[in-house]
Amino acid sequence: DTAVSQTPKYLVTQMGNDKSIKCEQNLGHDTMYWYKQDSKKFLKIMFSYNNKELIINETVPNRFSPKSPDKAHLNLHINSLELGDSAVYFCASSRHREGDEKLFFGSGTQLSVL
Amino acid sequence: EDQVTQSPEALRLQEGESSSLNCSYTVSGLRGLFWYRQDPGKGPEFLFTLYSAGEEKEKERLKATLTKKESFLHITAPKPEDSATYLCAVQAQNAGNMLTFGGGTRLMVKP
Repeated sequence: DTAVSQTPKYLVTQMGNDKSIKCEQNLGHDTMYWYKQDSKKFLKIMFSYNNKELIINETVPNRFSPKSPDKAHLNLHINSLELGDSAVYFCASSRHREGDEKLFFGSGTQLSVL
Repeated sequence: EDQVTQSPEALRLQEGESSSLNCSYTVSGLRGLFWYRQDPGKGPEFLFTLYSAGEEKEKERLKATLTKKESFLHITAPKPEDSATYLCAVQAQNAGNMLTFGGGTRLMVKP
């Protein structure tokens, strides 16, 4: 069973479109995240979310919004896509417990904006 | 601002040739330093967490160490299957669960 799964694996779209990436975890974790990995392989946090709190990296444009229908899901919605949004997006989850905060990552969604 | 710098960017080793990867960091109060392994087309996979200077952790051919300014990932007698990108990340005291990652070291081990 895949612990953190995200779909689609590849997403090719035109500038200006709106798209969503879905993420589900079956680990029973209470915190989920979205990370962006650019062409130079830097992983940057976009959002951290649990039942109580959404933490947003202030550098993330407000065109990006996380949506969580329940504890096991955190989807990423992107409005008005731009060329610079092309990257690999990773979903991750963890326990919110000190000393056990390692992240479990999904396999990534490669987004290409044309 | 928290910063993580990894060196070298790429490292080629012959099978059995031991070496070390470096992770230098500046953080406003370290809560934890993490090492991950990332294979092409996959998400990062957790290796170690280190919490305080002087701490060491081992797993098979890998050993991670931590000082107040940097961490090393020592690879002893590597095998081709150790080829991957190794990522270092720090968690600051005031950053909740969010990690700041370095750019990674791409390790290639030739048979």
